Amino acid sequence: DARVTQTPRDKVTEMGQEVTMRCQPILGHNTVFWYRQTMMQGLELLAYFRNRAPLDDSGMPKDRFSAEMPDATLATLKIQPSEPRDSAVYFCASGWERDRGPSPLNTEAFFGQGTRLTVV
Amino acid sequence: GQNIDQPTEMTATEGAIVQINCTYQTSGFNGLFWYQQHAGEAPTFLSYNVLDGLEEKGRFSSFLSRSKGYSYLLLKELQMKDSASYLCAVRAPGYKLSFGAGTTVTVRA
Repeated sequence: DARVTQTPRDKVTEMGQEVTMRCQPILGHNTVFWYRQTMMQGLELLAYFRNRAPLDDSGMPKDRFSAEMPDATLATLKIQPSEPRDSAVYFCASGWERDRGPSPLNTEAFFGQGTRLTVV
Repeated sequence: GQNIDQPTEMTATEGAIVQINCTYQTSGFNGLFWYQQHAGEAPTFLSYNVLDGLEEKGRFSSFLSRSKGYSYLLLKELQMKDSASYLCAVRAPGYKLSFGAGTTVTVRA
């Protein structure tokens, strides 16, 4: 049963602490997305990768957030230092895309269960 | 940039039909997705349109008009379990996938 796995599911931390969220994309997928969801803003795209290379992280606060893919089976999102306004659910999603040839092909993005972050 | 608009809330009766509209203005277009999200859960894929027309999948159908920047999701024979948020998402060239704010559908008995 292929699925995107995110850890931890829940995280409560104090303001100023470093937070690391992890994501294991579906095996064989070459695209990974990080989203943040709040009641006020909905689903915001923070960053996305294709073939482990960052394509767009314009939605991410650069001073405190960083996203990496150390290898094809792991994506990380770090916040340092964390602030109360970072409290949200962070979703990772993965998909498969072919961007070459006359007909680009892609699948839908499959979402993980999310990490609920609370910064107090 | 991308601007994706959909109604905030809709209410319908069990067994009825509901249509959720989505309009978008994007710098490039490479497909439109609809996702369903139950409270406290992850979004799950419902449908994908890249060409104009209607795609039907069981009780759910999705329509796209690229020239009008318009899509709708049609939910037929509503069931209580269909109460959820429905998210319209547009993929831009380069495969950046951006979401609308979502439409909360409440199904009443």
